[in-house]
Amino acid sequence: EAGVAQSPRYKIIEKRQSVAFWCNPISGHATLYWYQQILGQGPKLLIQFQNNGVVDDSQLPKDRFSAERLKGVDSTLKIQPAKLEDSAVYLCASSLDQLTLGTDTQYFGPGTRLTVL
Amino acid sequence: AQSVTQLDSQVPVFEEAPVELRCNYSSSVSVYLFWYVQYPNQGLQLLLKYLSGSTLVKGINGFEAEFNKSQTSFHLRKPSVHISDTAEYFCAVSLYNFNKFYFGSGTKLNVKP
Repeated sequence: EAGVAQSPRYKIIEKRQSVAFWCNPISGHATLYWYQQILGQGPKLLIQFQNNGVVDDSQLPKDRFSAERLKGVDSTLKIQPAKLEDSAVYLCASSLDQLTLGTDTQYFGPGTRLTVL
Repeated sequence: AQSVTQLDSQVPVFEEAPVELRCNYSSSVSVYLFWYVQYPNQGLQLLLKYLSGSTLVKGINGFEAEFNKSQTSFHLRKPSVHISDTAEYFCAVSLYNFNKFYFGSGTKLNVKP
């Protein structure tokens, strides 16, 4: 079974530029998550999709971040314009959706390390 | 509000020694509990999870964790560590009946020969 794929693995941009990350979840997984992991901190949920609908985007800085999951499969996360504090690893995860909410195992991709100069 | 606290940011230990990584949580509702491991340059992967039943949960690679409701803790243990256990370990909680997860800040386990 193929895992969660993410690209690119590394990205360096200057502040005020835009950047996009791509994620392809495990086939058949309905729920897709985007996390931001700042150095020295745990992953923080940015946005959660179930199929192609947004379940939770309460911590997404909507003035500069956007995400979409067209056709309920792969997803893109965009930052425009980037700030220095956006330097972090962006993790994508997916889960199968068990009958009981909250019990899912999340499967994570390797992440995209973003450096904003 | 929910929070997860991992008190130790780094834990150095010698090979074959026992180790305990501590995790405490705060929540006003019932939770499920998880431990994930992140090896260098890899994504997080599940070690074990507590959903219900026996409070002692066994996971992969010889790890186990014990849920203590009165102390709101879910400490991870291994009786004898290997060099290959060097990684960062994250404790996480999810809310009962919600697909929302909160992660701790992580503990870096450094196993020395």
